[in-house]
Amino acid sequence: QKEVEQNSGPLSVPEGAIASLNCTYSDRGSQSFFWYRQYSGKSPELIMFIYSNGDKEDGRFTAQLNKASQYVSLLIRDSQPSDSATYLCAVNGISNTGKLIFGQGTTLQVKP
Amino acid sequence: GAGVSQTPSNKVTEKGKYVELRCDPISGHTALYWYRQSLGQGPEFLIYFQGTGAADDSGLPNDRFFAVRPEGSVSTLKIQRTERGDSAVYLCASSLGRSQADTQYFGPGTRLTVL
Repeated sequence: QKEVEQNSGPLSVPEGAIASLNCTYSDRGSQSFFWYRQYSGKSPELIMFIYSNGDKEDGRFTAQLNKASQYVSLLIRDSQPSDSATYLCAVNGISNTGKLIFGQGTTLQVKP
Repeated sequence: GAGVSQTPSNKVTEKGKYVELRCDPISGHTALYWYRQSLGQGPEFLIYFQGTGAADDSGLPNDRFFAVRPEGSVSTLKIQRTERGDSAVYLCASSLGRSQADTQYFGPGTRLTVL
């Protein structure tokens, strides 16, 4: 079992729709959870982080964390073609080093 | 302000050669990370520095890989006797280093191709 799992997609949604990206993790002691966006040929850029159970909203983005189910998700409202990218889920484990364990990423395609 | 910079942006080498990849973190960031990303995969952790010392090198795949950060700023990832399987994008990230949850900011990466 991979430590962080994501569906590779592609996930295709029409412009204006809600895109829902999901991630599960295996290390129950994980403390911090991050969503990065990566455009083709570019480096990852942070979209959101979440530490506590529940929802965290930032503009069109909402991160949801359920530690009991070891599940974290990212919702993108009013999806735009510019949101088309690979979304990487990353988990900071129980080690004290801050190293991130990444999923393989989900490719999102927003169609005009 | 300046972000994380990495040089070179691209490196093509022959199997068996030695390469050095350089990372210049954001000024004031004490934590520095190296990751490796293969096509279609997420970044894979290699090594973490806090200041000058390697606090966690558990991700280095074998003893051909080595990294240094002698003055607590610029870091160099060194790969000896390169193999075709080393071909990937090598990403460097830095953070403030106050806590393990600090945001990591990534550089543009070095694309290494081993022929």
